Amino acid sequence: EVQLVESGGAVVQAGGSLRLSCAASGFTFDDFTMHWVRQIPGKGLEWISLISWDGDSTYYADSVKGRFTIFRDNTKSSLYLQMNSLRGDDTALYYCTKGAPEYIVTATSFDYWGKGTLVTVSS
Amino acid sequence: QSALTQPVSVSGSPGQSITISCTGTTGDIGLYNSVSWYQQHPDKAPKLMIFDVTKRPSGVSNRFAGSKSGNTASLTISGLQPDDEADYFCSSYKNLSGTAVVFGGGTKVTVL
Repeated sequence: EVQLVESGGAVVQAGGSLRLSCAASGFTFDDFTMHWVRQIPGKGLEWISLISWDGDSTYYADSVKGRFTIFRDNTKSSLYLQMNSLRGDDTALYYCTKGAPEYIVTATSFDYWGKGTLVTVSS
Repeated sequence: QSALTQPVSVSGSPGQSITISCTGTTGDIGLYNSVSWYQQHPDKAPKLMIFDVTKRPSGVSNRFAGSKSGNTASLTISGLQPDDEADYFCSSYKNLSGTAVVFGGGTKVTVL
C-alpha cells in the first residue's frame, strides 16, 4: 500500500524557516517524480514544486522561487521542502504527492497524496 | 484567482448526470493532454479521478468520465450518488519554465 506521511508543519514567524519532510513507502520511490502541493484550508490547490526521480531536475512555482528548495533522499525514500523567508501567504496545508507515471519529469498527475502538514506563518 | 476556471457549484439529484467544466488557455489545456481531475471530501486529501484527459485510475468508478474540447476540459459524473458530494478540482500541465501545473478553483458538487 502506497503511503506518504508528511511532517514538520508548525507555527513560525514571518521571515522564518521551516523544513517539511515526507516519508514514502509502498512503491519504488526512486522511480517517480515527486511534488509538493499546498492548499489554504477551504480554498483551492496550488502546485509548489517538483523534483525528478533522480533529484537532478527541480522546478518551482513563481510564488516560491528563490525561497523554497525541494530535495530528496532516495536511500531513505524521503522528500523534503526547505522553506525560507516565509510570508503570511505561505500559510497552508502542504501535501506531498507522487507523480505518475514513472521516469517522466512532467508526470503531473498526482496519483497518491499524503494527509498534509499545516504551516502557519504569523506576523 | 485560479489559472483554470471552474463553476463554483453544480448540483444534481441522485441518478442524474452532471458535467463540470474547466477552462484554460492555448498554453495549458489547449496544448497538452495532461488534464487531471481530483475529488476532495471535507478534511480529506484529494483523490485522483481522471488523468490524461480521459483515463481512470484503477478502482475509480466508470461513472466518472473526462473529455476535452479546445481549451476546455470536462468531467461528467453519471448516476449521481450521495457519496459523490465533494469538491472537484481540475489541473493541467503548463510548462517547466514557470508554473508546471495549474489548478482550477474547484467546484462544489451537491447531491440534492
